[in-house]
Amino acid sequence: GQQLNQSPQSMFIQEGEDVSMNCTSSSIFNTWLWYKQEPGEGPVLLIALYKAGELTSNGRLTAQFGITRKDSFLNISASIPSDVGIYFCAGGGGADGLTFGKGTHLIIQP
Amino acid sequence: EAGVAQSPRYKIIEKRQSVAFWCNPISGHATLYWYQQILGQGPKLLIQFQNNGVVDDSQLPKDRFSAERLKGVDSTLKIQPAKLEDSAVYLCASSPLLGRKYFGPGTRLTVL
Repeated sequence: GQQLNQSPQSMFIQEGEDVSMNCTSSSIFNTWLWYKQEPGEGPVLLIALYKAGELTSNGRLTAQFGITRKDSFLNISASIPSDVGIYFCAGGGGADGLTFGKGTHLIIQP
Repeated sequence: EAGVAQSPRYKIIEKRQSVAFWCNPISGHATLYWYQQILGQGPKLLIQFQNNGVVDDSQLPKDRFSAERLKGVDSTLKIQPAKLEDSAVYLCASSPLLGRKYFGPGTRLTVL
């Protein structure tokens, strides 16, 4: 089946720093989505990308859909304590099927 | 707007026992999903319903897992009998047709 490689697995940063994480795949996806999951909750959609090359922002978050359709990155600028959580990328191919990455744990030291 | 509701939030059972989870999607959402999220992994789709019909159950271990969505609203996911490797968070999500998915808080299952 399709697999996504998400990196890094975890990040320890200082408050105020910028964050960058990415996902790569051997398969082409038609959509790329980025979710955030906090303890005891389900994933919440942050950004959805629908076209190769697309660059989309949501506040301090910016994500891009790679030109090859096999990768995507998420950047968070000027991190704050509430950014702590697990960030998942997800690639969409068919009608609604999503393949999730293993997640990036973001830990922010004040 | 009320979100996706799931119950119970936590369940601890012994292997070979049976367990059932319940999901109430957002009102009006045609599509309902059950995902399994093992610790340290991303969610994996188990089954997708559109209204009360199954769209995709290719990754559902049908020898022990079953799911139904009677009347196209609420859904239940059952495991019978449970194995140790079924320990995970079971997430329910719903969406309008081809729309954004909204996830519930999940049910954390521990199989001893």
